[in-house]
Amino acid sequence: DGGITQSPKYLFRKEGQNVTLSCEQNLNHDAMYWYRQDPGQGLRLIYYSQIVNDFQKGDIAEGYSVSREKKESFPLTVTSAQKNPTAFYLCASSSGIYQQAFFGQGTRLTVV
Amino acid sequence: KNEVEQSPQNLTAQEGEFITINCSYSVGISALHWLQQHPGGGIVSLFMLSSGKKKHGRLIATINIQEKHSSLHITASHPRDSAVYICTTTGNQFYFGTGTSLTVIP
Repeated sequence: DGGITQSPKYLFRKEGQNVTLSCEQNLNHDAMYWYRQDPGQGLRLIYYSQIVNDFQKGDIAEGYSVSREKKESFPLTVTSAQKNPTAFYLCASSSGIYQQAFFGQGTRLTVV
Repeated sequence: KNEVEQSPQNLTAQEGEFITINCSYSVGISALHWLQQHPGGGIVSLFMLSSGKKKHGRLIATINIQEKHSSLHITASHPRDSAVYICTTTGNQFYFGTGTSLTVIP
């Protein structure tokens, strides 16, 4: 079945460590996105990519890095520079940047 | 002031009631999306609208571009409709409402 897969669902890391969240899609979508959700707040865009080997910063890119070496994959690295990394992270993809987005199930990251 | 405002923030309804969630935005958009987020966090895209009205089952979404307003209606609500509903706009930038938490009581 076509879809978008995030892993893992829950992730725990020690403060100061970098951590990479996986996002894979087999929908043949060009555009992929990473969002962060905090309790009581809406989704906020971290990074997005419209095409392979290209990505753009969103509203809250500081402390994060991404790569888009393959169309299917858009991993997000939460670096030690991110001041408040504990959050729920959602990945999405769409056939084009203004097209309907499909979301993964999310990764809940807890930094201790 | 947020670029996208949703109301109400929280909504409790009896099973069978007609529900309306509103979304107003202040930016230029290419399209508006309605998303449904379940308690586990997973999100489903319900509608993408750039004009008029769309219907899917018991869900209806409308948009008025001139008034910069969209509504999501749920007819004959059911407890399984309990979720957070989020409107989001796409254009030069992406903006999200903070969501409406809906609880439908049997």
